[in-house]
Amino acid sequence: DSGVTQTPKHLITATGQRVTLRCSPRSGDLSVYWYQQSLDQGLQFLIQYYNGEERAKGNILERFSAQQFPDLHSELNLSSLELGDSALYFCASSGGPPGGIQYFGAGTRLSVL
Amino acid sequence: AQSVTQPDIHITVSEGASLELRCNYSYGATPYLFWYVQSPGQGLQLLLKYFSGDTLVQGIKGFEAEFKRSQSSFNLRKPSVHWSDAAEYFCAVGGLAAGNKLTFGGGTRVLVKP
Repeated sequence: DSGVTQTPKHLITATGQRVTLRCSPRSGDLSVYWYQQSLDQGLQFLIQYYNGEERAKGNILERFSAQQFPDLHSELNLSSLELGDSALYFCASSGGPPGGIQYFGAGTRLSVL
Repeated sequence: AQSVTQPDIHITVSEGASLELRCNYSYGATPYLFWYVQSPGQGLQLLLKYFSGDTLVQGIKGFEAEFKRSQSSFNLRKPSVHWSDAAEYFCAVGGLAAGNKLTFGGGTRVLVKP
C-alpha cells in the first residue's frame, strides 16, 4: 500500500459529462501529481500541485482542471468528456526535496461511453 | 525535452532464468531515474531509483539496475525470475530541471513461462 488513496476506482459515464477524481496524498506529502495512462499515449504527466499551488503543467487539455485543497487532497475535474478521455488516471504524491520519489495510487479507471 | 525509450515491448522469459529490461533516456541535466512495476489492474509500485552515487542500485523483489551515463542507459536486471514477476515495467526519468515531473517509457510487458 503506497499510502496514496484515489476514489473512485472505476467511473463509467457518457460523452459530454463532467466527472471529478479525488486523490488523498500520503501523510505529510505536499506535492500531488496527476498522470493519465492510455493505450495510445502511454503514461503522461498532466499537472502538479505543491502545497495548494500549481507548480507544473504537462499535456493537460483545457477541458481538464485540477486543484489542491488546504488539507492537501487534490481533485482532477474532467469536463465535456469524449470517448478518447477513457483512460486510467493516476495520482502520485511526494514529500521532501524536489526530485523526490513519487508514490502512486491505484488509479481511477474512467470509461466514457 | 526529456524522453525515455524502452525498446522491448514484450519479453518472455522462463521461470528461473535471468531477466534484463532495457531503458535509454534523454535528459539535459542530471537525471533522476526510476523503475516502476505495474501488475494487472494495479497501480505503479516503485522498484528502485537512482539519484546519485553508486551506479549499481538495488531495489525490492531482487531487482537491480545499473546507470551508465556514457550510454544514457538504466537497465533493470533480475538474476532469477519468479512467476510473480509477470507484469509491465516502466522506466522513468525526472529531476530538478524538469520540475520533478516524470517522463515514462512505453513500458515492457514481461511474460513468465513455467
